Amino acid sequence: DTAVSQTPKYLVTQMGNDKSIKCEQNLGHDTMYWYKQDSKKFLKIMFSYNNKELIINETVPNRFSPKSPDKAHLNLHINSLELGDSAVYFCASQKSGEAFFGQGTRLTVV
Amino acid sequence: QKEVEQNSGPLSVPEGAIASLNCTYSDRVSQSFFWYRQYSGKSPELIMSIYSNGDKEDGRFTAQLNKASQYVSLLIRDSQPSDSATYLCAATFMDTGRRALTFGSGTRLQVQP
Repeated sequence: DTAVSQTPKYLVTQMGNDKSIKCEQNLGHDTMYWYKQDSKKFLKIMFSYNNKELIINETVPNRFSPKSPDKAHLNLHINSLELGDSAVYFCASQKSGEAFFGQGTRLTVV
Repeated sequence: QKEVEQNSGPLSVPEGAIASLNCTYSDRVSQSFFWYRQYSGKSPELIMSIYSNGDKEDGRFTAQLNKASQYVSLLIRDSQPSDSATYLCAATFMDTGRRALTFGSGTRLQVQP
């Protein structure tokens, strides 16, 4: 079984659309994250959820909203997509600093 | 100063050589340090973690931590072409209660056959 699974793997959409990326982990970890990796491969944290509570919200536009129905799921919803949102988005589950990443979602906004 | 800094490379070594990857971090209350490997088009995967000063060995990999110098390194012995990837250094900083990983920009390693 995949430890951290996220879907879709590829997402191509037009500017202004709203889209969601789903993430699920079966590791039993309490903390999940969303990271954004830009074209220069720099990996930066966007959000963290611990026991369904948002504990980190970096300087991310409020068009991005994480949703966690339970501690095994952390979905990312993005409103009014912009060209600059194009990147690879990684979900991760973490315990004691050791993070396990999903396969990534390559988002392309056209 | 950036929180976690790495030389972007590429670092090119011949097969069988020792690859040395370096990372420095800012003067904050740091807790733990990690090395992740990321192949092109894939997700990062954890290869080493180190929490205290000194060396930690795991197979061909050795992580070294020097908190006084704010320096962490990764040595890969007997480098193989399959080791060619981007290596990401990461740290957790506890000064704001955060446990999230802060990543460096990564060093691209090329092992020449």
